[in-house]
Amino acid sequence: DQQVKQNSPSLSVQEGRISILNCDYTNSMFDYFLWYKKYPAEGPTFLISISSIKDKNEDGRFTVFLNKSAKHLSLHIVPSQPGDSAVYFCAASSPILQGAQKLVFGQGTRLTINP
Amino acid sequence: DVKVTQSSRYLVKRTGEKVFLECVQDMDHENMFWYRQDPGLGLRLIYFSYDVKMKEKGDIPEGYSVSREKKERFSLILESASTNQTSMYLCASSPGGTNQPQHFGDGTRLSIL
Repeated sequence: DQQVKQNSPSLSVQEGRISILNCDYTNSMFDYFLWYKKYPAEGPTFLISISSIKDKNEDGRFTVFLNKSAKHLSLHIVPSQPGDSAVYFCAASSPILQGAQKLVFGQGTRLTINP
Repeated sequence: DVKVTQSSRYLVKRTGEKVFLECVQDMDHENMFWYRQDPGLGLRLIYFSYDVKMKEKGDIPEGYSVSREKKERFSLILESASTNQTSMYLCASSPGGTNQPQHFGDGTRLSIL
């Protein structure tokens, strides 16, 4: 049962254009959503997050949008740069116990930025 | 910057061996986590710990155990390694409290022959 889904395994975008990565979830209890970026042979790096009480969060070139009614979030990268080529994971969080939160990850989308 | 260090980048072991993967974080985080990453499956939680000597099962704990004797160190143990445990293993840590991102180490690629 995949609670967090990234339906596009790969995406190719021209340098300078907008990259849009999508993620769907099924569990209404998720209250915090994150995007991670992963280069080969490195661990995932935290990119940006959004609380369920918001519908948009922006940090430089990166914006995350949350549509709770559709259980959908997206990551926009504008403008896309060659260094953005990586695998992107979305993750959804729900509280577990003692102040810890459990992350459920999507399968990842490989983004390639073409010069 | 948060630093999560995993002791080995690559490890090759034999079926039936007891395998230890070590993780250390330097930010005094309360929570620590072990995941495995497999193609097409994303990251799946094996175990986590919210305090010294405290541990909880994640989604796929079978065949694994953990140890947290000190706050900064979290060990993953494969009691008797099997070939289906060949994977990328990732350790993460986070502070206590709500809406805190987890910070990851660079991973250990483990091959069981």
